[in-house]
This record gives sequence, C-alpha cells and structure tokens, in this order.
Amino acid sequence: ETGVTQTPRHLVMGMTNKKSLKCEQHLGHNAMYWYKQSAKKPLELMFVYNFKEQTENNSVPSRFSPECPNSSHLFLHLHTLQPEDSALYLCASSQDVRGYALGKIQSPLHFGNGTRLTVT
Amino acid sequence: AQKITQTQPGMFVQEKEAVTLDCTYDTSDQSYGLFWYKQPSSGEMIFLIYQGSYDEQNATEGRYSLNFQKARKSANLVISASQLGDSAMYFCAMRESGNTPLVFGKGTRLSVIA
Repeated sequence: ETGVTQTPRHLVMGMTNKKSLKCEQHLGHNAMYWYKQSAKKPLELMFVYNFKEQTENNSVPSRFSPECPNSSHLFLHLHTLQPEDSALYLCASSQDVRGYALGKIQSPLHFGNGTRLTVT
Repeated sequence: AQKITQTQPGMFVQEKEAVTLDCTYDTSDQSYGLFWYKQPSSGEMIFLIYQGSYDEQNATEGRYSLNFQKARKSANLVISASQLGDSAMYFCAMRESGNTPLVFGKGTRLSVIA
C-alpha cells in the first residue's frame, strides 16, 4: 500500500458509543495530523504529532482523544460525541521541515480519503 | 483575521477553457509556502501545486499553474484546458515559518460544463 489510508470510510455512532478512527501512512513521514471538515466551514486543524509527540491541540473537546503509537500510525478515539461532531475527519502526514526555511523547502501534507462520521 | 481568503464560493467553466481560482493570504512572515488542493466528491484532498515565498518564478504542474503576486499577497490557481474531471472543491492553503500547520481557505467549488 502507498499513501495515507484511513479506516473506516464511514461511521455511524450513537452519542454513548466509543469508537476509534485509524490512520496509517506509508510515506516515511514524521508528522501526522487530524483535521475536521464540517459543511460550509474551512478545514479545522485538531491535532498535530511531530516525531510521535503531540505539538498542537487546537482547543479540541476532550471527547476526542488522539493517539500516535509510532510515526506511521495515528488514531482518534471518540466517546460521548454530540450530533454537531458529525463531519468528515481527515488524516494527513508530512515531512517535518523543522530547521528549514519553508519558503525554500516543499512540505505538502498528504491526506487520506477521510472518515465520514455521523453521530445520531 | 483570516489567513487565507477565497472569494469565489462557486465557479463554472466550459470544458477545454482556462479558469482562474482566486486566493489571497495574510502573513507577516518572509518565509512561507502556498499550496493548492483539490477535493473531489470522494473526499480525498489531493495536493496539486506548491509555491515558496522565495520562488522567483511561478510554479507549474502540468495543466496547473500558480499566478504568484507577492506584493499583492495573492496566489491564484490557473487550470488550463479544463476537463470534466476537474469538477471539485479547490482549497488554497498556507504554511508559515516555524513548521506551523497548514491553514486552509473556505474553498471554491469548480464545475466544468461540457
């Protein structure tokens, strides 16, 4: 497999359920991200992991819990979600360019296909 | 303040014609990168093209080119010879210095008409 793979593609869960989203990257990257995409809103960054360490948590509610066991895998654990959490959740990876001037080094994020989450 | 502004919620273009999707950005950094992504209805975000703030020439990738006007802080995407498969959402994004995360605009929905 190549690229960034997310599972499941679709998930329907009740507000009392516990589920996990999985992301795996085969690109040799050292940074991984979770983004949330709701209707009519820009993509919202949720979490960032660089070299397996969480470096960003954009005021995300505690009902979302990320886990990064190694540089190739990223999970998003979900519990007691709300209907407004229904969205497309996108995982991405990139090569950390720490120490480089970004204006000179290309470091695009590579995204998975996303998990379409519906909370009922 | 919005970092990335895409003023066109939707655009239509005739097949085989060229189309320009607008993007303006806001940053005080000297070192930054600008990106365009395509998102078809399947949901995947596909990286299209990159422009570094120090690049003196406009980036090109096949039918995609980036009209980079640094003084005006604009980074418009030009798609030449539009194809039906180009119908999708297009997002402009920016990474500033210090390995900050990618920030996206609200996107433009492009519809290619046969």
